[in-house]
Amino acid sequence: GAVVSQHPSRVICKSGTSVKIECRSLDFQATTMFWYRQFPKKSLMLMATSNEGSKATYEQGVEKDKFLINHASLTLSTLTVTSAHPEDSSFYICSAISDTQYFGPGTRLTVL
Amino acid sequence: EDQVTQSPEALRLQEGESSSLNCSYTVSGLRGLFWYRQDPGKGPEFLFTLYSAGEEKEKERLKATLTKKESFLHITAPKPEDSATYLCAVDNYGQNFVFGPGTRLSVLP
Repeated sequence: GAVVSQHPSRVICKSGTSVKIECRSLDFQATTMFWYRQFPKKSLMLMATSNEGSKATYEQGVEKDKFLINHASLTLSTLTVTSAHPEDSSFYICSAISDTQYFGPGTRLTVL
Repeated sequence: EDQVTQSPEALRLQEGESSSLNCSYTVSGLRGLFWYRQDPGKGPEFLFTLYSAGEEKEKERLKATLTKKESFLHITAPKPEDSATYLCAVDNYGQNFVFGPGTRLSVLP
C-alpha cells in the first residue's frame, strides 16, 4: 500500500510557542490530504481538508488562525499549531488518498 | 445525515475465541467501505476495502463481509497481537470518509 509519513513523531513545547508538523506522501501524489486530531480512546476527529495550491477547508469549531495548514506541493502538507497551549496537547494524524485513504503514523504533541 | 456506527464499543476475548465486530452504516451513497486497525499511539493501518454487497475479503485471521446495511469483521482464533482498535469507514462519494467510533479489541492470552 501507499506510504504516508509524518514528522516529528513526538514534540514537546512550551506554552505560547508554535509547532509545525509535516505530512508527506512518499510514493504517490496527493492533491488532497486530511488532518485529524485524536483524544485518548476516542475516534478520529477531522480538523481540516488540505488542498494542494488552495486554502484548506476547516471543520466547524476548528480555529483556522490557530491551526495553519499549508499544502505547497503534491507530496507535502504542513500543520502549524500557533501559540500552543496545554489544551492543544493531542495526537495529530494526517492522511492522503491514493486507491484508499492512507494514514501517517501520527504526531504526539505535548504542550507544557 | 450519513452515519457509521460500530458495535460493540469494546470487546474482550480469550485467545482462540472467535467473534465478529459490526459496522452499520446509513449513507446516501456507498462507493466503498473500509476497515482499519489502529494500535495505541499509531496511525490507522489499512486492512480491507469492500465495494458491493456480498463481497468478502480475507487476511490471515480476519475476514470482512459486506451487506447493504452493514459490514462484519470476523476474527477467527484471535491471538493477543490482534488486540487493537478496529475502525470502519465509508466513502459516500464525499471528499472524505465517514468514520465509525471504533471497537477496542483485547485478546487475552
